[in-house]
Amino acid sequence: GAVVSQHPSRVICKSGTSVKIECRSLDFQATTMFWYRQFPKQSLMLMATSNEGSKATYEQGVEKDKFLINHASLTLSTLTVTSAHPEDSSFYICSASPFRDRLHYGYTFGSGTRLTVV
Amino acid sequence: SQQGEEDPQALSIQEGENATMNCSYKTSINNLQWYRQNSGRGLVHLILIRSNEREKHSGRLRVTLDTSKKSSSLLITASRAADTASYFCATVPETSGSRLTFGEGTQLTVNP
Repeated sequence: GAVVSQHPSRVICKSGTSVKIECRSLDFQATTMFWYRQFPKQSLMLMATSNEGSKATYEQGVEKDKFLINHASLTLSTLTVTSAHPEDSSFYICSASPFRDRLHYGYTFGSGTRLTVV
Repeated sequence: SQQGEEDPQALSIQEGENATMNCSYKTSINNLQWYRQNSGRGLVHLILIRSNEREKHSGRLRVTLDTSKKSSSLLITASRAADTASYFCATVPETSGSRLTFGEGTQLTVNP
């Protein structure tokens, strides 16, 4: 089946530094990928929609200059958390669909990245 | 913002029992999906039900959808300890293109 590989699974960084998270579709092309963040014991909040070859679409309240998204190829999207602060500590998850008809098929999720900013 | 609400928030049962989780949403939808998340992991797609469907089965899973009440239920029959996880419903609202909107989730614990 379709696999989305996300790396790293865990990262600890110092305040003020930047962290890059990668999301790769291993056996399919993904023109669109989605980035979510999840706080402990809470649901997933959509941060942005990553579009191959164009700018990402950010949800209301998400700072695009802080959460930089690059979708330079059909199999890779990256999320860079710039100048990270402790409040950015969270679980970040990406997803994509191998099907063009995304209305009738489910999504495949990466395994998530646990970011801790100290 | 999340449009879905799920109940119960937490459910603890014994192996072999059935587990029922409910989800409500607020806007018209194209489809509703259920996902499972083990602690600290990504989500796994379980089942999708379209807005013109009322019931769907997949193995030990049974999903119902009532668009008039804007609600869905997920039934897991003959539960196993390995079913312990968080379960989320997610909708594709008619106005959102293909973006998923997640419910708050139900934490299911199946005791051996």
